[in-house]
Amino acid sequence: AQSVTQLDSQVPVFEEAPVELRCNYSSSVSVYLFWYVQYPNQGLQLLLKYLSGSTLVKGINGFEAEFNKSQTSFHLRKPSVHISDTAEYFCAVSEINAGNMLTFGGGTRLMVKP
Amino acid sequence: DAGVIQSPRHEVTEMGQEVTLRCKPISGHNSLFWYRQTMMRGLELLIYFNNNVPIDDSGMPEDRFSAKMPNASFSTLKIQPSEPRDSAVYFCASSYGISTEAFFGQGTRLTVV
Repeated sequence: AQSVTQLDSQVPVFEEAPVELRCNYSSSVSVYLFWYVQYPNQGLQLLLKYLSGSTLVKGINGFEAEFNKSQTSFHLRKPSVHISDTAEYFCAVSEINAGNMLTFGGGTRLMVKP
Repeated sequence: DAGVIQSPRHEVTEMGQEVTLRCKPISGHNSLFWYRQTMMRGLELLIYFNNNVPIDDSGMPEDRFSAKMPNASFSTLKIQPSEPRDSAVYFCASSYGISTEAFFGQGTRLTVV
């Protein structure tokens, strides 16, 4: 079984400031890692994913994440946020070669202030 | 493609009534998932279908919940009888292959009063 912990339930930040959303996971097997974004009253949209290879993964909207196996972390970063980045962000894992069943973290609400 | 289509978008029903949520996955996708989102429990996987066959239903809360996928283009999630604690947003998602992106529908917001 896997579990995902997002340490911050809310992250307030000013526009154009950098941001990091933290994600740690626990699993007895190898996993794929994902970040999804959810805008109000919308479904989830994939930001980026780590499957293998380079531990630094770039996604849409200027976001990137770094996989750290020793720390079992997959933190999401953006160097300069925009008002439109205000949303809920979910970290998720899926067990390798076991279908795309996702285990989600509790979510982090990013609030970008002008 | 129009993406994953869920209906209805909103459903309000009285306790004890039967509720049916519907999902049309993206054409060509062979995996379908039902998730539930609540404030208390976050996003939980309810059931996973592959090639129309239920593979993992360990997340289905209890016997009041059932899901079917009669063909590759349609799935239903039924709650009978419904209870107020079933109030949540229910998402359907689909994907093709392994380690690929799961595409989510816009969800059905269910309120049981």
